[in-house]
Order: sequence, then C-alpha cells, then structure tokens
Amino acid sequence: GAVVSQHPSRVICKSGTSVKIECRSLDFQATTMFWYRQFPKQSLMLMATSNEGSKATYEQGVEKDKFLINHASLTLSTLTVTSAHPEDSSFYICSARTVRGSYNEQFFGPGTRLTVL
Amino acid sequence: GIQVEQSPPDLILQEGANSTLRCNFSDSVNNLQWFHQNPWGQLINLFYIPSGTKQNGRLSATTVATERYSLLYISSSQTTDSGVYFCAVVDSGNTPLVFGKGTRLSVIA
Repeated sequence: GAVVSQHPSRVICKSGTSVKIECRSLDFQATTMFWYRQFPKQSLMLMATSNEGSKATYEQGVEKDKFLINHASLTLSTLTVTSAHPEDSSFYICSARTVRGSYNEQFFGPGTRLTVL
Repeated sequence: GIQVEQSPPDLILQEGANSTLRCNFSDSVNNLQWFHQNPWGQLINLFYIPSGTKQNGRLSATTVATERYSLLYISSSQTTDSGVYFCAVVDSGNTPLVFGKGTRLSVIA
C-alpha cells in the first residue's frame, strides 16, 4: 500500500508558540490531502481538505487563522498550529488520497501528538 | 451529510474466538474503507471495499451497497488484533472519508 509519513510524531510546546506538522506521501502523488483531529477515545474529525496549489477548505468550526494549511506540492502538506493553547492539545492525523479512475483510497500518516503546556 | 454507525461499540473476545463488526451508512457510497487503529494511533488500511467481498488472511469484509451496510469478520482472533476498528465512507466525488465512532476490540489470552 501507499505510505504517508508525518513529522514530528510528538511535540510538547509552551502556550503561545506555533507548531508546524509535515505530511508527505512517500511513493505516490496526492492531489488532495486531509487533516483530521482525534481526541482520546473518540473518532477522527475532519479539520480541512487541502488541494495542491489552492487554498484549503476548512470544516465548520475550524479556525482557518489558527490552523494554517499549505499544500505546496503533490507530496507535501503542512499544518501550522499558530499561537497554540492547551485546548489545542490533541492527536493530529494527515491523510492522502490516491486516485486512479474510480479507485480513490485514502492512506493515513502515523499522527502527531501535540501537548501544549 | 452521510451518517455512519458502527456496532458494537465495545467487544471483548477470548483469544481464538471469531467476531463480526457491522457498519451501517445512511446514503449510497462510492468508497468504503475499514481501518484498524493500533495502540500507537496508526491507522492501518484493512480493506477498500465499496461493494463485494474481500479476504486477507484471518480478516474478511463484505459490503452490500444496496442495503447500506458492511461487515468485517475477524476469525481466530489474536491479542494483536486489539485496538479500534473504524469504518469510513465517501458519499460522492472527491469528498473526504467520514468516519464512524469505531468498535473497540479487546482480545484477551
């Protein structure tokens, strides 16, 4: 299957700092990447859809100025949590989609656990 | 938007037992995937199965698209099967996967 990497896997930061998370599709090109957030013992919640070369589409309730997404190339998307606060602590997971005709499977990175002190 | 319901929410099995996990969805889909989330949080793709039946080792899945449900079968369960199993669907076009709440499986020796 296709491989998606995510870096860093874990980050601890002070309140008020910004944190950048990188997501890469290693062996395929992804015109569309997605960012999800997961709280303990809950399901994945979509935050935004990122298309290469265009602005991200954010889900309702997700602050676009707090969660900056850049999809700079067909293999790289970044999520920057700006001025992080303790309530932003969560598990962030990126996903990339392979599209071949009607086949459109999504693959997921290993996630980034963010703790804001 | 499309709704995805998984059952049961929790399941405890003795090692070696078989189980069936169910995923119901509220509208027609053009993509359905099953995942296993391991204790470290990694989502592992199990099946891409918008319709039909597939098998991979001790796991198999069936999706009956016309009746809007999918089943994941786990046979001869092992402790390493423990974790959360998610069903996720796409209803149309290039929209992202929508996840169910998952089934938390614990396999005890």
